[in-house]
Amino acid sequence: AQSVTQPDIHITVSEGASLELRCNYSYGATPYLFWYVQSPGQGLQLLLKYFSGDTLVQGIKGFEAEFKRSQSSFNLRKPSVHWSDAAEYFCAVGVEGTYKYIFGTGTRLKVLA
Amino acid sequence: NAGVTQTPKFRVLKTGQSMTLLCAQDMNHEYMYWYRQDPGMGLRLIHYSVGEGTTAKGEVPDGYNVSRLKKQNFLLGLESAAPSQTSVYFCASSRALAPGGADTQYFGPGTRLTVL
Repeated sequence: AQSVTQPDIHITVSEGASLELRCNYSYGATPYLFWYVQSPGQGLQLLLKYFSGDTLVQGIKGFEAEFKRSQSSFNLRKPSVHWSDAAEYFCAVGVEGTYKYIFGTGTRLKVLA
Repeated sequence: NAGVTQTPKFRVLKTGQSMTLLCAQDMNHEYMYWYRQDPGMGLRLIHYSVGEGTTAKGEVPDGYNVSRLKKQNFLLGLESAAPSQTSVYFCASSRALAPGGADTQYFGPGTRLTVL
């Protein structure tokens, strides 16, 4: 069965430091991959997505992610974190030929001033 | 262009009461979804719809019913609420992809439901 793993439940970084959030998936074919961000009390907003092509994907708010097929990973990165990036981040996998996503359990990011 | 809207935003029910959550989207999307979000469990799919008049069960459908009489609306019903249904409920919509599958899902702001 398909699954998505976000191994880090909480991450704390200092403002200005770099960030990497991990996402691993279990899926046979090439998946559709997404990263969403959820601010407190809000819905989910798409940061970036990968369907095919260049494995390094640029998103909004200065985020990027890299698809590594050999590692079944789609890690999210940002070179310099801002206090406003404090939120919960979800990785999701779209299953080709179906209409569903599978979501990871999320990583909550805290940013220290 | 409002995107995806949900009503109500908050609701408190007593065990056994019923209610309907309304989701509306103005993007002409074919697919619509209902999720529940619980701490430490991410988002779990309750029901979804791939078009007007069609619905299908997701991962956690028990205790919920849905209807999609109009393309832009997707209703989630709780016939007899239970404390285990205390959660935050999110609606989402997406367009279809030509080779099959769903494109980006756009989410509503959520409904926080408490069942006492």
